[in-house]
Formats: sequence, C-alpha cells, structure tokens
Amino acid sequence: QQKVQQSPESLIVPEGGMASLNCTSSDRNVDYFWWYRQHSGKSPKMLMSIFSNGEKEEGRFTVHLNKASLHTSLHIRDSQPSDSALYLCAATSGGNYKPTFGKGTSLVVHP
Amino acid sequence: NSKVIQTPRYLVKGQGQKAKMRCIPEKGHPVVFWYQQNKNNEFKFLINFQNQEVLQQIDMTEKRFSAECPSNSPCSLEIQSSEAGDSALYLCASSLLTSAETLYFGSGTRLTVL
Repeated sequence: QQKVQQSPESLIVPEGGMASLNCTSSDRNVDYFWWYRQHSGKSPKMLMSIFSNGEKEEGRFTVHLNKASLHTSLHIRDSQPSDSALYLCAATSGGNYKPTFGKGTSLVVHP
Repeated sequence: NSKVIQTPRYLVKGQGQKAKMRCIPEKGHPVVFWYQQNKNNEFKFLINFQNQEVLQQIDMTEKRFSAECPSNSPCSLEIQSSEAGDSALYLCASSLLTSAETLYFGSGTRLTVL
C-alpha cells in the first residue's frame, strides 16, 4: 500500500519569503501528484497538480516532479499571511484512482 | 464556496450510538469518495463510488461502517455503533472521472463520540 511522506511537518517563513515543501511516495508505480491546501476549519482545495517530470508554475506557486526519485516539491515565493495553512500532498499509483494523502506540512507565514 | 454539500456540519454521539452523515456531490460528478481525517491530519480512505456502484473500499472496520450512493438521493456514510476512536472529520469529495482528476471536497462532518 502506497505511503506518502511529507516534510517538514511544520514551517515558519516571514512574509515575502520562500516556502519549500517536500513530498515523496513509497510506490515505484506512482502515477500522479496533487497539492491541496487546507485552511484552518476549512476543506482541502486543490492548489496544483503535476503528472509529468519537470516543473510547473502558476503565479507564486511552482511544483517540481522527479518520478525517478518519486519526489515532488512545492515552492511558494513571496509568501503571504493568507498562505498560512496545511499543505497536503496526494498521489495515486498503479492506475488505481484512490488518492493517498500525506500528513501535511503546516505553514505559518508571519507578518 | 464548496459545491459539495455535506450535512450535518457537526455530529455528537454517545458510544454505541448510530451516526449518519450525508453528501451531495457536485452536479455532474459521478465519482464520490469518503475520507476520514483524524486530529493528527491523517487521511484514511474509506470508500469510493461511481454513480451507485462501489469502486473500492477498505475492509469496512468490523462492519460498523456502511455507505451508499443511491440514485437521486444524497450519498451517506453510517457508523452503526460509534466508538471514541471514530471521532474525526469525515470528508466527502467528488470528481469527474476515475483517474487523474481533482477531488472537490465538502466542508466535512465533524463527529465527536463522547
């Protein structure tokens, strides 16, 4: 059964700084990765997805994927206090569409 | 605002009581998931449906958990005999397809078992 590991567990960055979050799957047959953001008391909302090796940028957010190392990372530049949230990584593997979630990285951006 | 509607928002039950929660998926989404998110933020997949059919499910823990997605009615998740360890946020999510699709989550039902 696939496991998804996220690091760090928590991260504090100053406003305007860069936040870097990591996610690794345990399954060599990993297919797709998503990053979801969950603000306190709210439901998770998809932030970015990445399915192919390389990099994808949307505004202040950039995701990288290296399938050979089963690893994806999310980078948030010019971090804002509103970015403070739990960031969840999800992955599917072996053609089985049952996304497995990591335990998340709790990001705090202080003014 | 989420278009996946979950009710109730909060549910408080005593041990041994039945707990039932409902989910209306986003319009046009045939695939529905149920996840349990515990206080440590761990997500546990429970079951998913495509239309009314079960796609995958965990060994529904001692058979206390049951779920269905009847035609033209909300989906539901029911715990027959609640235990303290069932206290968690139960999240329903829907998606368009059965692969490589984003999950759209409801606001969740927070179950507290006293």
